[in-house]
Amino acid sequence: QAVLTQPSSLSASPGASASLTCTLRSGINVGTYRIYWYQQRPGSPPQYLLRYKSDSDKQQGSGVPSRFSGSKDASANAGILLISGLQSEDEADYYCMIWHSSAVVFGGGTKLTVL
Amino acid sequence: EVQLVESGGGLVQPGGSLRLSCAASGFSFSSYPMNWVRLAPGKGLEWVSYISTTSSTIYYSDSVKGRFTISRDNAKNSLYLQMNSLRDVDTALYYCARDTSFDPWGQGTLVTVSS
Repeated sequence: QAVLTQPSSLSASPGASASLTCTLRSGINVGTYRIYWYQQRPGSPPQYLLRYKSDSDKQQGSGVPSRFSGSKDASANAGILLISGLQSEDEADYYCMIWHSSAVVFGGGTKLTVL
Repeated sequence: EVQLVESGGGLVQPGGSLRLSCAASGFSFSSYPMNWVRLAPGKGLEWVSYISTTSSTIYYSDSVKGRFTISRDNAKNSLYLQMNSLRDVDTALYYCARDTSFDPWGQGTLVTVSS
């Protein structure tokens, strides 16, 4: 079982909200981790969006709009990236990441389609 | 402006070697840990290696341990990745990224391992 699991794809309409999940493997407690999120548009390098551990431990990337926000669902052992007011430019691959046992782990990525 | 520019990629035969470089500018390079991350065709992001500010702490992914060596020269504001015993599965776009938050990323340099 992968350390971080993301749905491979997600579709949503312009103006709507999209909730991207990043589920941690059983036995790895989401509450103890900072979850990092990245956006990668086609042909461009990844861009840091934000990190979220709790409401008192979070950081927005420089220049990243506030319509991108992070949260957690402890019952699902998952980190969540919420994108509100979807725009066509939000169509991209989104990756979550954690630091785990002296290593970095990326989720497999979610391809977000805005249509 | 913070900038990271990778170089050194190219076509190499299986078993061969390459040395990647990442030139940093616009920030105090010696104050930040650095990372290498790769993106293989049709795959997701894969972390490769991490190096602390003074090179005292270094981590590698299991997939490259024993074959790749990360290093840095703070006087030259440069990060390096020496890649030996290359395999076809190492074919990827290699990015350098700043800090434990991976912010920002360079544009990447393409490594192709093929006979």
